[in-house]
Amino acid sequence: EVQLVESGRGLVQPGGSLTLSCSASGFTFRNYNMHWVRQAPGKGLEYVSGVSSHGRYTYYTDSLRGRFTISRDNSENTMFLQMSSLRTEDTAVYYCVKEDSGFDVWGQGTMVTVSS
Amino acid sequence: QAGLTQPPSVSKGLRQTATLTCTGNSNNVGHQGAAWLQQHQGHPPKLLSDRNNNRPSGISERFSASRSGNTDSLTITGLQPEDEADYYCSAWDRSLSAWVFGGGTKLTVL
Repeated sequence: EVQLVESGRGLVQPGGSLTLSCSASGFTFRNYNMHWVRQAPGKGLEYVSGVSSHGRYTYYTDSLRGRFTISRDNSENTMFLQMSSLRTEDTAVYYCVKEDSGFDVWGQGTMVTVSS
Repeated sequence: QAGLTQPPSVSKGLRQTATLTCTGNSNNVGHQGAAWLQQHQGHPPKLLSDRNNNRPSGISERFSASRSGNTDSLTITGLQPEDEADYYCSAWDRSLSAWVFGGGTKLTVL
């Protein structure tokens, strides 16, 4: 079964840092681009970041570039999102997503709350 | 970051046909097309149609996508109560080197 499982949920103070992980199984992880997409409470989907299959290229939505860093470890079938200088507006469910001509597999999401 | 444009809401009757639109530009929808996602409250999104207008395995034939220029459309025939959900389009934007989403359309089945 193709599966993506996010971890790293938490409550963080403004200005703090947090790292999310996504563990993949059921498919050849190293063959696919992977992404993070977030959804603030009651809002729509927002693209966060992506990484190419081999990890050579990374992609970010402009407003997050510089604060978030994406990476992957193909030997461990895992993707990461390092988040720093967190703001209250970063509060959202963060989804790990597999790309295959579209976002075809989604994790259940992990909640990140930025609050004092 | 510029996104894709979707109508906020569409309402149709049971067993009717709904057509949802997604408008972008030549750098995103017009370049490689849009993919469509369905999201029910409290659940992760589900892919309905990829950028090539192909349905993943298990997706009903009642869902079909098409493209004309910079606008992609998702047509849902024979509307059922379970089709009531939020629908999002997404596309790769070559000028931004990032994916972009539409704001989503809330479909109500009357």
